[in-house]
Amino acid sequence: NAGVTQTPKFQVLKTGQSMTLQCAQDMNHNSMYWYRQDPGMGLRLIYYSASEGTTDKGEVPNGYNVSRLNKREFSLRLESAAPSQTSVYFCASSGRINYGYTFGSGTRLTVV
Amino acid sequence: SQQGEEDPQALSIQEGENATMNCSYKTSINNLQWYRQNSGRGLVHLILIRSNEREKHSGRLRVTLDTSKKSSSLLITASRAADTASYFCATVRMNRDDKIIFGKGTRLHILP
Repeated sequence: NAGVTQTPKFQVLKTGQSMTLQCAQDMNHNSMYWYRQDPGMGLRLIYYSASEGTTDKGEVPNGYNVSRLNKREFSLRLESAAPSQTSVYFCASSGRINYGYTFGSGTRLTVV
Repeated sequence: SQQGEEDPQALSIQEGENATMNCSYKTSINNLQWYRQNSGRGLVHLILIRSNEREKHSGRLRVTLDTSKKSSSLLITASRAADTASYFCATVRMNRDDKIIFGKGTRLHILP
């Protein structure tokens, strides 16, 4: 099925560990995004990539890095995980910037 | 930097009734979008309304936009159990088309 695929679906990390969240889309979309969702906070943009080769900070970029590997793939890296990064992470893509996103199913990350 | 705010935060109605959710925003927009999120899943794009449009329909969904009041409403007619979900409005600010800003959502519960 066409769409946005995120891996892994669940992850538990210890404080200080690193990990990369993977995201791939097969809709030939130009723009890709990483959000985190916390209870009572809605969705907050971490980083986005308007097109292949570009990345920009969103609302809450501290503690994260991203790589737009190619048009299909946009990864999110936590270099040194902290309990405050416990959240559900969503990747999304859009064919035309900000004209309707397609979301992945999310990664539930717990940092202990 | 919350742009859209949904009202009410939570809503419970009987199956078959109509559900209305509202969204208010602060700055001029290019477009406004509504998304649905079922528990434990990613967001699904429902409908987009441009700033020069006043009303839009999609199946049982009706969206209105009042730019003078900086508000939008989502009406779901003849509600079904499957409509139980959280609903988010999201705005693309005028002249700031780099990203969508999501509200915190309305939790809709359809009672059997």
